[in-house]
Amino acid sequence: ELKVEQNPLFLSMQEGKNYTIYCNYSTTSDRLYWYRQDPGKSLESLFVLLSNGAVKQEGRLMASLDTKARLSTLHITAAVHDLSATYFCAVVGGGSQGNLIFGKGTKLSVKP
Amino acid sequence: DAGVIQSPRHEVTEMGQEVTLRCKPISGHNSLFWYRQTMMRGLELLIYFNNNVPIDDSGMPEDRFSAKMPNASFSTLKIQPSEPRDSAVYFCASSLRLYQPQHFGDGTRLSIL
Repeated sequence: ELKVEQNPLFLSMQEGKNYTIYCNYSTTSDRLYWYRQDPGKSLESLFVLLSNGAVKQEGRLMASLDTKARLSTLHITAAVHDLSATYFCAVVGGGSQGNLIFGKGTKLSVKP
Repeated sequence: DAGVIQSPRHEVTEMGQEVTLRCKPISGHNSLFWYRQTMMRGLELLIYFNNNVPIDDSGMPEDRFSAKMPNASFSTLKIQPSEPRDSAVYFCASSLRLYQPQHFGDGTRLSIL
């Protein structure tokens, strides 16, 4: 059974600081997604990582994928308050092609 | 461009009642997904359709849950009879093809009393 683990689950950081969120998954997958969810809102797609070594960047967020280590990272550079949200990674797996398994999410709070 | 549209946004009903959640995917998207989100269990895939055909319903918790997709622009998730433990936020999502990023609706916040 595919398992997706994120850490940390809670992250409080100050504006201007850098930090990394980690996403480990237990079985082979060639595709990993990052989503953002604001409180009480829907999920918004941030990145799709398709191959080993893939790196994608959007603003202060950068995601990377190491399929050999079964690890993806979401790096936050010079955090700002607007980045406060819950971030989920998700991996295709679980026996059928469209079965997306989500991590529990990392709740990020950026304080001034 | 309209996104995924779900209705109702909120539903409060008594235990034992039938609940029907509705979803209109983004036009042209071939895949549709139903998720449930709770604090305890996180985000769980319940069922997904490809080209209107149910592909994997292994996440449907029990026979009280059923889902249909009669055409490319409409899907329903039905709970009958409902129980308090079904209280959750139910999301519908669609994607252009399987494997492509999913676009989520705003969710239905369901409370069963």
